[in-house]
Amino acid sequence: DQQVKQNSPSLSVQEGRISILNCDYTNSMFDYFLWYKKYPAEGPTFLISISSIKDKNEDGRFTVFLNKSAKHLSLHIVPSQPGDSAVYFCAATFTGGGNKLTFGTGTQLKVEL
Amino acid sequence: DTGVSQDPRHKITKRGQNVTFRCDPISEHNRLYWYRQTLGQGPEFLTYFQNEAQLEKSRLLSDRFSAERPKGSFSTLEIQRTEQGDSAMYLCASSLAGGETEKLFFGSGTQLSVL
Repeated sequence: DQQVKQNSPSLSVQEGRISILNCDYTNSMFDYFLWYKKYPAEGPTFLISISSIKDKNEDGRFTVFLNKSAKHLSLHIVPSQPGDSAVYFCAATFTGGGNKLTFGTGTQLKVEL
Repeated sequence: DTGVSQDPRHKITKRGQNVTFRCDPISEHNRLYWYRQTLGQGPEFLTYFQNEAQLEKSRLLSDRFSAERPKGSFSTLEIQRTEQGDSAMYLCASSLAGGETEKLFFGSGTQLSVL
């Protein structure tokens, strides 16, 4: 039962262009969503998050959009840089859930020169 | 802030052996989590502690697995009678309940290979 889904295993974009990573969820109890970035041989590092009371959160080059009716969120990276090449995980949790995160399967982003 | 530390980084063992991993969370964090990640998958929740109390265990955590956090600081995860299916990256994370609570900080993980 995959409650958080990332249907694109990989994405390739050119440096300077926009990267859009997508995530869908099925559990209506989720009310907080996070994106983590992971380099090989390292643990995931927090990137950006959004509460269900918002539909957009922006932090520098990173913006997360939430569409609650569609149970869909997306991460936009603009402009994309070679250092952004990593695996991106979408994660979700709910109030009272003890901060237990449910992760998607990840999207490998490759930013090419 | 030294971050979440995990030891060892890599462990190779033979099937049937017992292994133990250690996690040192960020010092002021009172919640500690164990996750497991296999190739092509996202991290999967195993268990978590608030202080020394183990508050939840996933059904993924069979009775061969045991986790402790005896003094509410570091934690250990032991796997008894390892099986090849236990091969995975074991990740530890910590957070501060009541703070920016939903943000977990992860360690670099312990890569377990069971031969």
